[in-house]
Amino acid sequence: DAMVIQNPRYQVTQFGKPVTLSCSQTLNHNVMYWYQQKSSQAPKLLFHYYDKDFNNEADTPDNFQSRRPNTSFCFLDIRSPGLGDAAMYLCATSRLRQGSNQPQHFGDGTRLSIL
Amino acid sequence: DQQVKQNSPSLSVQEGRISILNCDYTNSMFDYFLWYKKYPAEGPTFLISISSIKDKNEDGRFTVFLNKSAKHLSLHIVPSQPGDSAVYFCAASPMDDKIIFGKGTRLHILP
Repeated sequence: DAMVIQNPRYQVTQFGKPVTLSCSQTLNHNVMYWYQQKSSQAPKLLFHYYDKDFNNEADTPDNFQSRRPNTSFCFLDIRSPGLGDAAMYLCATSRLRQGSNQPQHFGDGTRLSIL
Repeated sequence: DQQVKQNSPSLSVQEGRISILNCDYTNSMFDYFLWYKKYPAEGPTFLISISSIKDKNEDGRFTVFLNKSAKHLSLHIVPSQPGDSAVYFCAASPMDDKIIFGKGTRLHILP
């Protein structure tokens, strides 16, 4: 089955220690997204790639960066995690660019804990 | 400020009855609306969508109604089944822009 896979499912890191979350997709979709979701909150878009074109949301902290080395993979790098960065991180894909009236397909998320 | 609001954090419905989940939005530029379903420890799964040119879309047990004048949409599930117990996210997007999600409503289907 074509899908969106996030690794690891659970990640624990220390305050200030860089961490990388990964996402891969077999859907061959052009667009990949990273969302942050805190408990009982709406998923919040951090950034997305349309092919190799990176699009950062205006309120995404500089601490968060992303890489997309190829169509299938996308990484979320948190350079110096703070306690407030503990959250569920969701990766999603879509075939067409956002706003094209089509749904996004989500992975199962990585839950990040900060010690 | 929330552009997509789901004012009921949770809802309990008897199995076999109709579940109605509500969503309000503030941005009149939204033209595409979606519902996602999320089980614990899984990512959101797309359920059903509706374009602003329609006022109803049906898929099996799931129907989404859109009332543009009231900036309100609802998801009807009938009949409700135990497997429908999940968190439901309402989402909306304007043309050429990102999807905005609500905070979700947790639906409990009671035996």
